[in-house]
Amino acid sequence: SQQGEEDPQALSIQEGENATMNCSYKTSINNLQWYRQNSGRGLVHLILIRSNEREKHSGRLRVTLDTSKKSSSLLITASRAADTASYFCATAVGGTASKLTFGTGTRLQVTL
Amino acid sequence: NAGVTQTPKFRVLKTGQSMTLLCAQDMNHEYMYWYRQDPGMGLRLIHYSVGEGTTAKGEVPDGYNVSRLKKQNFLLGLESAAPSQTSVYFCASSPRFGAGGIQETQYFGPGTRLLVL
Repeated sequence: SQQGEEDPQALSIQEGENATMNCSYKTSINNLQWYRQNSGRGLVHLILIRSNEREKHSGRLRVTLDTSKKSSSLLITASRAADTASYFCATAVGGTASKLTFGTGTRLQVTL
Repeated sequence: NAGVTQTPKFRVLKTGQSMTLLCAQDMNHEYMYWYRQDPGMGLRLIHYSVGEGTTAKGEVPDGYNVSRLKKQNFLLGLESAAPSQTSVYFCASSPRFGAGGIQETQYFGPGTRLLVL
């Protein structure tokens, strides 16, 4: 079963615009991570936010976490064509700490 | 460092054939994982290993077996391939967890595309 659900499933924007994608999950978590997957490639870790954190930044990425709503958002500012990829959230749950559970992903298309 | 590598990159099997997918990592990571990725379903965990000589079942283990004889290698076997096993398979690794035993970053290989006819 999927712990995370991303929204929207697909997003198309123009270069320079901001992209926001959301992740909702079902159970309490220890941390939430975002990964990027370029077409035909493996996943690459972007950022991790712990359950006691509310916001985190890394370059053009901003992640927020609302544990009361069991949701997270990933904001990519000033998008570039190279940001075109699928983005997945993944959650780590206490008690089953050896595993991550991935969502279904958001496909982002950034056009020139 | 090569990171996580997977062999082969692409394979076509007939129903009933067997094969082994090889995953290797050179980061001295304790934990290794096998996932499958199907359209619209994200990644689903097949099996994983928390150390040399140990394996455990994930979310979708049926039809697969694994072995971790060496710390750097994690093998995924299909004894009798079925069309439902057509998928893209990803291997990942992660270092030993810190205090509290919480899973953090996983490092992924480039994937193996498997087509079962």
